Amino acid sequence: GDSVTQMEGPVTLSEEAFLTINCTYTATGYPSLFWYVQYPGEGLQLLLKATKADDKGSNKGFEATYRKETTSFHLEKGSVQVSDSAVYFCALLNTGNQFYFGTGTSLTVIP
Amino acid sequence: DVKVTQSSRYLVKRTGEKVFLECVQDMDHENMFWYRQDPGLGLRLIYFSYDVKMKEKGDIPEGYSVSREKKERFSLILESASTNQTSMYLCASSFWTGGQETQYFGPGTRLLVL
Repeated sequence: GDSVTQMEGPVTLSEEAFLTINCTYTATGYPSLFWYVQYPGEGLQLLLKATKADDKGSNKGFEATYRKETTSFHLEKGSVQVSDSAVYFCALLNTGNQFYFGTGTSLTVIP
Repeated sequence: DVKVTQSSRYLVKRTGEKVFLECVQDMDHENMFWYRQDPGLGLRLIYFSYDVKMKEKGDIPEGYSVSREKKERFSLILESASTNQTSMYLCASSFWTGGQETQYFGPGTRLLVL
């Protein structure tokens, strides 16, 4: 079946460090791909999305590129801030209109 | 902005109690979802609904039921709460836009069953 696998956390970085959170997926056809972020005590918020191969989603300095050949959608940010501390979820929406979420990666940014 | 609200942020219930979790969205979305979030397991879909009075089982429906009497409201019911239902419950809603829709989440309800 369809699924999403993302790197396990927790991840701890110093402020201004480079961030990569890996995400790979398994799905038939051409799913849409998403990154959601969950700040402490809150629900999930959409961070960015891409709906077809080679699309790049971007928001708040975060980027992810839909790579069909490697079935990946890695999240990157060039310089993280303390306010980026959160849990990040990779997700896919398959052609059957079903969402699948990864297990989440906790990020802590220290000053 | 889309707003999805959940009736409680925190709930404490006893084993065997009937529990109602309410979710309301204000953007006329057709689709509504209930997930539970547990450490190391991510989000797991309990039930979803594509229209009023319509419901579909997700991946883990056992021990739960749902109700959608009005388009904006989707209720999750634990008929007889058990300790293994202690979890964070997240409601979400979305438009149907041909396969590219974004889900919008509520703040979550953290349920403790004693």
